[in-house]
Amino acid sequence: GAVVSQHPSWVICKSGTSVKIECRSLDFQATTMFWYRQFPKQSLMLMATSNEGSKATYEQGVEKDKFLINHASLTLSTLTVTSAHPEDSSFYICSAREGRQPRNEQFFGPGTRLTVL
Amino acid sequence: DAKTTQPPSMDCAEGRAANLPCNHSTISGNEYVYWYRQIHSQGPQYIIHGLKNNETNEMASLIITEDRKSSTLILPHATLRDTAVYYCIVRVANAGGTSYGKLTFGQGTILTVHP
Repeated sequence: GAVVSQHPSWVICKSGTSVKIECRSLDFQATTMFWYRQFPKQSLMLMATSNEGSKATYEQGVEKDKFLINHASLTLSTLTVTSAHPEDSSFYICSAREGRQPRNEQFFGPGTRLTVL
Repeated sequence: DAKTTQPPSMDCAEGRAANLPCNHSTISGNEYVYWYRQIHSQGPQYIIHGLKNNETNEMASLIITEDRKSSTLILPHATLRDTAVYYCIVRVANAGGTSYGKLTFGQGTILTVHP
């Protein structure tokens, strides 16, 4: 299957700082990228959907000013957690899909573990 | 998107077939059934998907009932590395509305393969 990478794989930061997470599709062009968040012992929760060159669409309850998403190219999307606080500590997972057809397979990155002290 | 119901956990002996059920009784005609799995602390891995015909690939087989209200994922010869959370997801196949193409994860089934 297609490969999606994330960087960094884990990050520890102080409260109040901003953290940027990168998501790359390595062998295909990702027209659509998704960002998920997963708390311990819980399922994945979709945070936002972004199409290349467009503004991201955020799920209800997700603060768009806190979780900044940029999808400037067909192979790269970034998620910036601004002014991070301990409650933002979570496992952040990106996903990418080639093309706009919903039936196209969606591939996931390995995840980024964020710990805010 | 239609909601799915899966058993919270299942056990399977190594080398035996693992049959994971999923109920999606409210599935619409334009919704696909997808299966993903997540090994601890990793991103989900795509397994298989289908609309109404049974599907098979190198990882698994997907059996969808004729009325499409339920399906079964079959891992023919489970190994210890198949221990993971398995998610059954239905997703709309056509554009439109606010649920265009989203994968919505439920709680899944924790499959434990034991020696």
